[in-house]
Amino acid sequence: DTAVSQTPKYLVTQMGNDKSIKCEQNLGHDTMYWYKQDSKKFLKIMFSYNNKELIINETVPNRFSPKSPDKAHLNLHINSLELGDSAVYFCASSTRSSGREETQYFGPGTRLLVL
Amino acid sequence: KQEVTQIPAALSVPEGENLVLNCSFTDSAIYNLQWFRQDPGKGLTSLLLIQSSQREQTSGRLNASLDKSSGRSTLYIAASQPGDSATYLCAVPTGFQKLVFGTGTRLLVSP
Repeated sequence: DTAVSQTPKYLVTQMGNDKSIKCEQNLGHDTMYWYKQDSKKFLKIMFSYNNKELIINETVPNRFSPKSPDKAHLNLHINSLELGDSAVYFCASSTRSSGREETQYFGPGTRLLVL
Repeated sequence: KQEVTQIPAALSVPEGENLVLNCSFTDSAIYNLQWFRQDPGKGLTSLLLIQSSQREQTSGRLNASLDKSSGRSTLYIAASQPGDSATYLCAVPTGFQKLVFGTGTRLLVSP
């Protein structure tokens, strides 16, 4: 039983195309995230949603639009893909209990290659 | 702005050695610190989370310590095994569950 799942696992596409990555968590968490890991393996947060509301938007180009239809899903749509968008995109989820932050659980990643 | 640095960037050891990975952060006003493991081509797996009120956490052969005042954390791996080979990342939250990750340490344990 996968806790945080992402589809697709691999995505190869041409510059200028529009693509979506889907994420689902079955942990009952109320917060979900998208991270980008670049070619140097540096991991950086892009977005965070809590109870379907956008909490964090880290100066990501508006070509990236996250959508959270419900607490268990956070999808990422990317318009007009550019070469620099090539990276591994990770989805994660967490919850907050007793006022303390809990650990984040990560999906397996989506490897995006823009040609 | 919180910055997280890890040294060494890469480490290669023979099986059985005890080793220490270091993590430093510039803003000591954190409420926890997490250590993750990333295997090649895979996602991240949480190893340990230390709350700011704690000084260390242990899980099996792993022991993580936290010294907030000096902005440092260490991950100690006892009796290393080839299966420990991976990239180890530390991360601290800033704001609402926003994790800032370190640069990572690539560990290779040879048989």
